[in-house]
Amino acid sequence: AQKVTQAQTEISVVEKEDVTLDCVYETRDTTYYLFWYKQPPSGELVFLIRRNSFDEQNEISGRYSWNFQKSTSSFNFTITASQVVDSAVYFCALSEATGANSKLTFGKGITLSVRP
Amino acid sequence: GAVVSQHPSRVICKSGTSVKIECRSLDFQATTMFWYRQFPKKSLMLMATSNEGSKATYEQGVEKDKFLINHASLTLSTLTVTSAHPEDSSFYICSARVRGGVSNQPQHFGDGTRLSIL
Repeated sequence: AQKVTQAQTEISVVEKEDVTLDCVYETRDTTYYLFWYKQPPSGELVFLIRRNSFDEQNEISGRYSWNFQKSTSSFNFTITASQVVDSAVYFCALSEATGANSKLTFGKGITLSVRP
Repeated sequence: GAVVSQHPSRVICKSGTSVKIECRSLDFQATTMFWYRQFPKKSLMLMATSNEGSKATYEQGVEKDKFLINHASLTLSTLTVTSAHPEDSSFYICSARVRGGVSNQPQHFGDGTRLSIL
C-alpha cells in the first residue's frame, strides 16, 4: 500500500522568509509519480508539479523549488521569499503507475500561513 | 486548458433531501473522474472512481446506495447524495484525468461543493 506523510501540520512564517514543506512517501512500486497541490482558502486544488520516479532532477519554477530524493523517499517543496498569497494548505500526493484509474494518495496537508 | 467545473459551489438544504453535484470537464474529455470528500482541516478522502459508461468503483466504507455516481458522458459525472443527513455535510471535490492519460498525468480538480445539511 502507498502512503504519504506530511509531518508538519502548520507552519507560520513572516513574509520574505524561505520555507520548506516536507513530504515522505512509501510505495512498493518502482515506477510512481509524485505531485504537489495547493489549496487556497477558497477551496479549489491547484496543481503545482508532477515528478516521476525516474527523474530525480530538482526543479525550480520562479520562487518554487522541489527536491526529490529517492534514497530518503522524500519530495520536499521550498518557497523562496514567501508572500502572503502563498498562504494555503499544501498537499503532497503519490500515484502508482497502474493506468488511467490509478488513484492519488494524499498526505494530510500542511497549512502555511505567511504573515505580512 | 484542462478546466473542471463543479456545480453548485454551495448547497444548504434540509435533512432528507437528495442533492446532486455536477462535475464537468470543459475543454477536454475525461474517461475517468474521481470524487473526494474533505472534512474541515483534513486531507482528501477518495470516495469513488467514475468511469464513463460503466459503474463507479467505490472505496471501502463508502455506501454506494448513499452516494450515487453517474458518468454518462466523457465530460460529465454527477454525484447524488441521497436522503442527506447532517453527517453528510462536507466539502466534496471532483477531479478529472484527461482521456488517454495515465497516472503520470495530473488530476484536474473542480472548485468543490460545500454541502451543509440542516
